[in-house]
Amino acid sequence: QSALTQPPSASGSPGQSVTISCTGTSSDVGGYHYVSWYQQHPGKAPKLIIYDVFKRPSGVPGRFSGSKSGNTASLTVSGLQAEDEADYYCCSYAGPNILYVFGTGTKVTVL
Amino acid sequence: QVQLQESGPGLVKPSGTLSLTCAVSGVSISSFEWWTWIRQPPGKGLQWVGEIHQTGRTNYNPSLRSRVTISSDISNNQVSLRLTSVTAADTAVYYCTKADFFFSPAGGSWGQGTLVTVSS
Repeated sequence: QSALTQPPSASGSPGQSVTISCTGTSSDVGGYHYVSWYQQHPGKAPKLIIYDVFKRPSGVPGRFSGSKSGNTASLTVSGLQAEDEADYYCCSYAGPNILYVFGTGTKVTVL
Repeated sequence: QVQLQESGPGLVKPSGTLSLTCAVSGVSISSFEWWTWIRQPPGKGLQWVGEIHQTGRTNYNPSLRSRVTISSDISNNQVSLRLTSVTAADTAVYYCTKADFFFSPAGGSWGQGTLVTVSS
C-alpha cells in the first residue's frame, strides 16, 4: 500500500490561509469518510487536529478545517499563526485488510 | 489525564528482536477500545504499525504482519510491541497512542516516543 501523496512544503504569511492536499485512491481516501490530520512540531509527538474528514477534536481551533473531494482530502489553516509552523500528515482508513495509510507529510512555513 | 510512556532498549542488533512497553496512567487500558503503535524513521514520515483492542484483538500493518506482535497486560496497565528480525529499516522513533475516534488510528494522547536504532 503506497503512502498518500502530499506536497512536501507549503507556506503563507501570518493571517493568510494555506491549504494542503492529500491524494490517495478509491481504496482509501475516496472510498471512506475517514481521513484524519495530524500536526507535528519538531521533536514532539504528533497531535490529532482533524478526524472523519472535517471534524475537530475538542480544543483544536476553528481555523483548522478539513474537506474531501473524490480521492483527494484537504486541510486548510486559516489566519495563519506562528505556532502553526509544523509538519502535517494526513491519514486514511483503507479497509479491513490494510487499515491505515499515512501521507508523505507537508512542512508548513509561516513566512 | 491520560499519560503514556514508552520504554525499551534504544539499540537492537540486526536480526534481533525489538521489544517496547508503553505504560499507561490516568485510565485503564481495558476502558478504551484501541491502543496503537506508530513509528517514524529519522527525518521521515509516520507509519502505522498496528493496534490492539481492549478485547485483545489485534490489527497489523500488512508490511510488518509477519514480524510484529502487539499485546496488552491489563494488570500492569501497559501495552507492548514486539518486532522480530529487525533491520536498519526498522530504525525509528516508536510512539504509542490511544485512538479517540473510530477509524482514526491516534488521538490526543501520545507517548513522548522512543528512538530505537538497529545497528551492530
